[in-house]
Amino acid sequence: TQLLEQSPQFLSIQEGENLTVYCNSSSVFSSLQWYRQEPGEGPVLLVTVVTGGEVKKLKRLTFQFGDARKDSSLHITAAQPGDTGLYLCAGLYNFNKFYFGSGTKLNVKP
Amino acid sequence: DVKVTQSSRYLVKRTGEKVFLECVQDMDHENMFWYRQDPGLGLRLIYFSYDVKMKEKGDIPEGYSVSREKKERFSLILESASTNQTSMYLCASSPYRGADTQYFGPGTRLTVL
Repeated sequence: TQLLEQSPQFLSIQEGENLTVYCNSSSVFSSLQWYRQEPGEGPVLLVTVVTGGEVKKLKRLTFQFGDARKDSSLHITAAQPGDTGLYLCAGLYNFNKFYFGSGTKLNVKP
Repeated sequence: DVKVTQSSRYLVKRTGEKVFLECVQDMDHENMFWYRQDPGLGLRLIYFSYDVKMKEKGDIPEGYSVSREKKERFSLILESASTNQTSMYLCASSPYRGADTQYFGPGTRLTVL
């Protein structure tokens, strides 16, 4: 059983569509991070959210941290083929260890 | 920019061999981490270290050990490699205990035959 449940596991959409990835837990996290990983490379940090209810935007990507700091979502507007990759959420637990979701593999078709 | 480097991108070893994976960071970070990544399981923490010569077990330490003799270097050791240790190994660093950002290396794809 994973501390962070990420869904969906796979997503294949057409260019221009919108999508949302979810990251849920029954535990409270100090902060939550979203990473993007290309094949054969390490994860690269997209954003960190710290405050309950916080919303951060990065161009067409919108990140939200739940009020209770137990869940988060990543919304992509008008997806492009360049958004293709593995998206990972990670939570900092007790200011100590990071726990990762299992990842969402996104494929955006031209 | 923070740079985390790993000694090999790809490694093929035989069952029973001793395997060393090296990780170096150049930003004077206190914390370093070793994860393994398997499809559908995400990243799982093997070991981490908050300071030189200090180490703490993560969630899956069995079959692994680590060494941190210098602040910038964190080594993962597979004492006797087994086929179920075939995986992608990722090293990460973060500035201090409780920092909410990690910086990852490119990973080492290890295959144990």
